[in-house]
Amino acid sequence: AQSVTQLGSHVSVSEGALVLLRCNYSSSVPPYLFWYVQYPNQGLQLLLKYTTGATLVKGINGFEAEFKKSETSFHLTKPSAHMSDAAEYFCAVSRGYQKVTFGTGTKLQVIP
Amino acid sequence: NAGVTQTPKFRILKIGQSMTLQCTQDMNHNYMYWYRQDPGMGLKLIYYSVGAGITDKGEVPNGYNVSRSTTEDFPLRLELAAPSQTSVYFCASSSGGRIYNEQFFGPGTRLTVL
Repeated sequence: AQSVTQLGSHVSVSEGALVLLRCNYSSSVPPYLFWYVQYPNQGLQLLLKYTTGATLVKGINGFEAEFKKSETSFHLTKPSAHMSDAAEYFCAVSRGYQKVTFGTGTKLQVIP
Repeated sequence: NAGVTQTPKFRILKIGQSMTLQCTQDMNHNYMYWYRQDPGMGLKLIYYSVGAGITDKGEVPNGYNVSRSTTEDFPLRLELAAPSQTSVYFCASSSGGRIYNEQFFGPGTRLTVL
């Protein structure tokens, strides 16, 4: 079975500070990993994904994530937070076309 | 392209009533999904479809039914609504060509059952 754990349901950062959202996965096979973002009253949209190859993945809006197999982690980072980054972020692992497991989400608050 | 559209945006139901949540996509995707999102619980898969005429249960299918008569449409039917079905419902689609293809989500339907 595959699962995803997101540490911290709420994270607050100051504008301009580093954003770090944590995600750990468990998987019996090499995983496909995703980060999705959900803005208020909207559906989820893909930020970035890891499939194979380079372990540092760059996404939209300046976000990136690093796949670390030894730590079973896929943490999301952004060097400098912007007010528009305030949203809920979901880590997800794919087990197949119909079997994407989502984490419980982390709400990011950006303080001016 | 409109992407994935859902109607209605909001709905209040009384216990025991029925309704259909509509979902349409214009990306010619074969794979479509229905999720429910409850606070602090992430998204749970209700039903999915890999193509017209083919549907299957997800993690939490009880109390729901689906059909897929066309590639574009994937309606979700609630029979005998219960307060436990109060949630935000999201429809999604993907091309399915690779298992790591992203899913495209609709804006959601916020349902309250009283």
